[in-house]
This record gives sequence, C-alpha cells and structure tokens, in this order.
Amino acid sequence: LAKTTQPISMDSYEGQEVNITCSHNNIATNDYITWYQQFPSQGPRFIIQGYKTKVTNEVASLFIPADRKSSTLSLPRVSLSDTAVYYCLPSGGGADGLTFGKGTHLIIQP
Amino acid sequence: DAMVIQNPRYQVTQFGKPVTLSCSQTLNHNVMYWYQQKSSQAPKLLFHYYDKDFNNEADTPDNFQSRRPNTSFCFLDIRSPGLGDAAMYLCATSRDRGGQSNQPQHFGDGTRLSIL
Repeated sequence: LAKTTQPISMDSYEGQEVNITCSHNNIATNDYITWYQQFPSQGPRFIIQGYKTKVTNEVASLFIPADRKSSTLSLPRVSLSDTAVYYCLPSGGGADGLTFGKGTHLIIQP
Repeated sequence: DAMVIQNPRYQVTQFGKPVTLSCSQTLNHNVMYWYQQKSSQAPKLLFHYYDKDFNNEADTPDNFQSRRPNTSFCFLDIRSPGLGDAAMYLCATSRDRGGQSNQPQHFGDGTRLSIL
C-alpha cells in the first residue's frame, strides 16, 4: 500500500485559496488519488478523485504531476465551514479498504 | 437521497456486555466496510464484505465480528467490549472492490460507542 505524507495542520483565512499537498512516492500504477473531507462527529466525505494532470469539480481542483508521486488539493476561496480534516488516499489498484494516513487539519479563521 | 445510515448515533454499553451496531444503505452497493476511529486518529479498517464474501483485516481483534444478512444491512458485533474499544465506528459502502475499480467510498456518520 502506498504510504502518504501530508502536513499535520494548516491555517488560512476566509476568502483565500488553500493548497494541501500530499506525497505518495510508491503509488501503484492502477491507483487513483482520492481526497476525503471529515468534519467532527461525521464520516469522511468524498471530495475529488483523479489519476493524472488536473481534475476540477464544483468544490475543488486536484493537481497531479506526471510522476504521480504527489498531488495537491486546491480549495478556492475557503470559508469557515471548510475547517475539517482532509485525507488523501491512493486507492483502486490495491487493497479493498482504505488505509487512512494522519490527514491534514485545516483551520480557517475569519 | 441514497444514503448510508448508522443507528444509533451514540451507544453506551457496559464493560464486557455484547453490543451490536447497525448500518443500512440505499445505494445498492456490493461492498460494505467497517472502520474504527479513535479520538484524534484516522479511521482504521476492521473488515469488509464483498457481497456475502467476508474479508477480515489481519490485525482486527477476534472480539469484533460482522454479519451481512442482505445487500442493504450490515452489523458490527463486539462480543466483550473493553475500555479500549470506545471509539467512533464508521460504516462505508462502495459499488465495487478497490482492486477492481476506482469507486469512492460512501460513509455513514458513525456510531460513537462508550464503554462504562
């Protein structure tokens, strides 16, 4: 299983763009990179998934370089409600369940 | 909306008294998972069902069992809960197994288990 490394915590302010980078040096060829968001006392929620280059949806963008050894989740114009833990996980090509890393605790201030 | 529903949201049991946590899904997904999440830690996979095929993680204690009587329901049984089993228990589903597709997992909001 690919091990991931993310910053333990990040701080930003409302209206800013936030970029969270995750390294996954030994990602498998068939793995996709999936990001989940978790609020306190709730289950993780799927945010975005990609295999390579750039993916964008209504809430975030995901940038994956050609070597796929890292990925960057970009949250445009964050608000207080984006305060949460964000997990990146390589998945799909390996074990059936998800192996969560420590995640990044993002704190948005007014 | 199609969902993953966990009941109850909070469960209190006594040390050593068996407890069952429930999960239901309206997504008609083939795979159902159980995760344990302790305070300030990441979720940890306990086991999963692919249809009726049960798959246990190597380090899941024998004290934890699971049943899946049909596609929609899955149960987590803790036979003799200890103080160290106090945690949030998360149920999740996916359409296919991770090894076969890139289908994301859909999580319920968990059951927080307390042990007295």
